[in-house]
Amino acid sequence: IQLTQSPSFLSASIGDRVTISCRASQGISTYLAWFQQKPGKAPKLLIYAASTLQSGVPSRFSGSGFGTEFTLTISTLQPEDFGSYYCQQLMSYPLTFGGGTKVEIK
Amino acid sequence: EVLLLESGGGMVQPGGSVRLSCAASGFTVSKKTLIWVRQAPGKGLEWVTVIQNGGRTYHGDSMKDRLTTFIDNSKNTLYLHMSSLRAEDSAVYYCATSILTDYYDYWGQGTLVTVSS
Repeated sequence: IQLTQSPSFLSASIGDRVTISCRASQGISTYLAWFQQKPGKAPKLLIYAASTLQSGVPSRFSGSGFGTEFTLTISTLQPEDFGSYYCQQLMSYPLTFGGGTKVEIK
Repeated sequence: EVLLLESGGGMVQPGGSVRLSCAASGFTVSKKTLIWVRQAPGKGLEWVTVIQNGGRTYHGDSMKDRLTTFIDNSKNTLYLHMSSLRAEDSAVYYCATSILTDYYDYWGQGTLVTVSS
């Protein structure tokens, strides 16, 4: 199952609403996770089961989608939200990741 | 507290092998599903392999004939043995597991493998 993320790069201002898309090559129900990764650090789970917020993650992060189309939204971009974001499908092996979206703060 | 600590990375010659360790605390490795994920310099995340509850394993296509995973229960440690290494295997290798959810919510800090002569 291939995951296609878009955009691959985005630059946004503090307070902006940011949306990242993840498209699966076949239906994966809601078996999708979103991760944030800062440079030199391990990925951090933000969202699982497509829309469930991981404990401790700020509520400005949200996820939606089902089947083949998924979205990660940051409602109000904060300075600490810079980094790369990845989707991952857990519908079947081999598990796959999207190509990533690098978020830059303007 | 759940912790994962990878080690064993370093410089390896092309064609060589390396054994990475993922030492766990706060849970029993053989009772959880763990994965290895790698990230080449400046690139995205790539799933490498999974071991389910200390038993069944699945490997990604890029390394599947060159991997062995096993657990030392006495050390509560997962091992990843990689052989016939190539330059394109150079990456940070992370282990991860699912504790609170059915998704990978705990990750180690990673260990860097560099394949070069």
